Amino acid sequence: NAGVTQTPKFQVLKTGQSMTLQCAQDMNHEYMSWYRQDPGMGLRLIHYSVGAGITDQGEVPNGYNVSRSTTEDFPLRLLSAAPSQTSVYFCASSYAGASGANVLTFGAGSRLTVL
Amino acid sequence: AQSVTQPDIHITVSEGASLELRCNYSYGATPYLFWYVQSPGQGLQLLLKYFSGDTLVQGIKGFEAEFKRSQSSFNLRKPSVHWSDAAEYFCAVGMDSWGKLQFGAGTQVVVTP
Repeated sequence: NAGVTQTPKFQVLKTGQSMTLQCAQDMNHEYMSWYRQDPGMGLRLIHYSVGAGITDQGEVPNGYNVSRSTTEDFPLRLLSAAPSQTSVYFCASSYAGASGANVLTFGAGSRLTVL
Repeated sequence: AQSVTQPDIHITVSEGASLELRCNYSYGATPYLFWYVQSPGQGLQLLLKYFSGDTLVQGIKGFEAEFKRSQSSFNLRKPSVHWSDAAEYFCAVGMDSWGKLQFGAGTQVVVTP
């Protein structure tokens, strides 16, 4: 059971390049989400999905696209990278907890540097 | 608007001493509350959660937290810290039952010998 798997772990991009951060989970979780972590700001929600074919924006969605074609995968796309997108990105998925609310399981993170 | 405040950016504690990390939130309804820990270069690990019921919750690694509705707080405590507790700790509020979380800025804990 791999949990939440993110690839790549590290990436360096030039301004204007595009790339996709991959996220896969093998726990059959319906809910998946992407966060970015910046020093002094905690984690901020970028996009989330409550099931295949359903996505929505979080707190900081600009510059990022997502899609959810399968339950397992939730890729995050940067169409034209900017230095402000230098960050550590975390994918998470969640299951229904015993008390009715979900608990997030996080991937190990992807560190992105945009030059 | 919802908010989560961790007043202490950085805390230094001696090994064996007690630790308390503060978390205050602003939220309209009864919140789902979480504490996560992040070791250097790692992802986030759930320490404990509060959904309802007993306001004192026990978590992993000897941590506990107490929900105080009157103070809008969910402070994390450990009676005796170990060097392995050095990490960054995040308080989070669940904005819905799916798991959409709002995080505090984090508290960095340094443990000295």
